Amino acid sequence: KQEVTQIPAALSVPEGENLVLNCSFTDSAIYNLQWFRQDPGKGLTSLLLIQSSQREQTSGRLNASLDKSSGRSTLYIAASQPGDSATYLCAVRTGANNLFFGTGTRLTVIP
Amino acid sequence: NAGVTQTPKFQVLKTGQSMTLQCAQDMNHEYMSWYRQDPGMGLRLIHYSVGAGITDQGEVPNGYNVSRSTTEDFPLRLLSAAPSQTSVYFCASSQTRGKFYGYTFGSGTRLTVV
Repeated sequence: KQEVTQIPAALSVPEGENLVLNCSFTDSAIYNLQWFRQDPGKGLTSLLLIQSSQREQTSGRLNASLDKSSGRSTLYIAASQPGDSATYLCAVRTGANNLFFGTGTRLTVIP
Repeated sequence: NAGVTQTPKFQVLKTGQSMTLQCAQDMNHEYMSWYRQDPGMGLRLIHYSVGAGITDQGEVPNGYNVSRSTTEDFPLRLLSAAPSQTSVYFCASSQTRGKFYGYTFGSGTRLTVV
């Protein structure tokens, strides 16, 4: 069974810092990996989707990388802002078109 | 706005009661699914559907029923609510043909069973 782990579980950084969130998965037979953002009491907002054939995707200050063979992905956030404070979730899509989620990293950006 | 709509947003049930959580999408997505989110456990798949008339079980299906009579709707039924079903429920959809653009999630239903 696919298992997805996110480290660290929580992270606090001062505003303006660059930071990296980590995601690892046990079965490299994935179709793609998707990073989401979840604000308290809210739903999931898609940030980036990386296909299994891709190495990275970028959107604004966000950059996600994927190393499928080693079962790892990172989400890089440049020049963090207080509005980036949220929980970040990674999820991998398997052959049955289903998603397996990590438990998330709760990010706090301190003004 | 196009997307996934879930109703209700909040619900309190008594043990043994039944109810249906509604999910509708207007993006003509073939795939729809239900997840529950519990503290410290991440989101877990309950049931999913790859098209109208087709449903299948996910990781935690016990106590839940689904049906898919139309492409747009995918309701989740709790037959006899239990306190262990207290959770936040999310519906998600995606297309399965052509280029894959990822999953779209609804805003969730927060369910408390007392």
